[in-house]
Amino acid sequence: AQSVTQLGSHVSVSEGALVLLRCNYSSSVPPYLFWYVQYPNQGLQLLLKYTSAATLVKGINGFEAEFKKSETSFHLTKPSAHMSDAAEYFCAVIKPSNTGKLIFGQGTTLQVKP
Amino acid sequence: ETGVTQSPTHLIKTRGQQVTLRCSSQSGHNTVSWYQQALGQGPQFIFQYYREEENGRGNFPPRFSGLQFPNYSSELNVNALELDDSALYLCASSLVPGEGDGTDTQYFGPGTRLTVL
Repeated sequence: AQSVTQLGSHVSVSEGALVLLRCNYSSSVPPYLFWYVQYPNQGLQLLLKYTSAATLVKGINGFEAEFKKSETSFHLTKPSAHMSDAAEYFCAVIKPSNTGKLIFGQGTTLQVKP
Repeated sequence: ETGVTQSPTHLIKTRGQQVTLRCSSQSGHNTVSWYQQALGQGPQFIFQYYREEENGRGNFPPRFSGLQFPNYSSELNVNALELDDSALYLCASSLVPGEGDGTDTQYFGPGTRLTVL
């Protein structure tokens, strides 16, 4: 069975500091991996996705993530946090051809302090 | 390009009632998935519709049912509402399973907030 673990339900950084949100997955076959962001009272917005084409994936708003098979990780990073990055972030995995069933982690709330 | 839209935005119901939530998929997409997001949790997969047929279901009871229409829009119906059904219900659309880049990337709507009293 597939699963996703996001380490740290809350992460707090100062504006301009590095953002690192951790995600580890479990899957019996190479999965596709996604990061979504959710702003208060809104739906989910796709940040980036891993499709097995390249292990370092660049997304919107300056975010990127690196797929590390040996560590079963897909951590999300951004070199310099901005106040507008404060939101809930979800890592998700899908097994190829698994009828669209995205498995989400519990989410990480990112707080950005001035 | 029109994104995924959902209606209504908010809804308040009482225990035992029935509710219908609606979703219009992004243009060019013909697959719709529904998720339930309880407060403080990640979304949970309810089911997916493709070609007007259910194409996969999560661990939800039969009182959760759905429809997809020829224009690819979709409804989620919940009967005999329970207090634990209070949640944000998210609809996501995607291309035909396996097409595009093959990742079945899903694009989400803003959600419907359901409160059951």
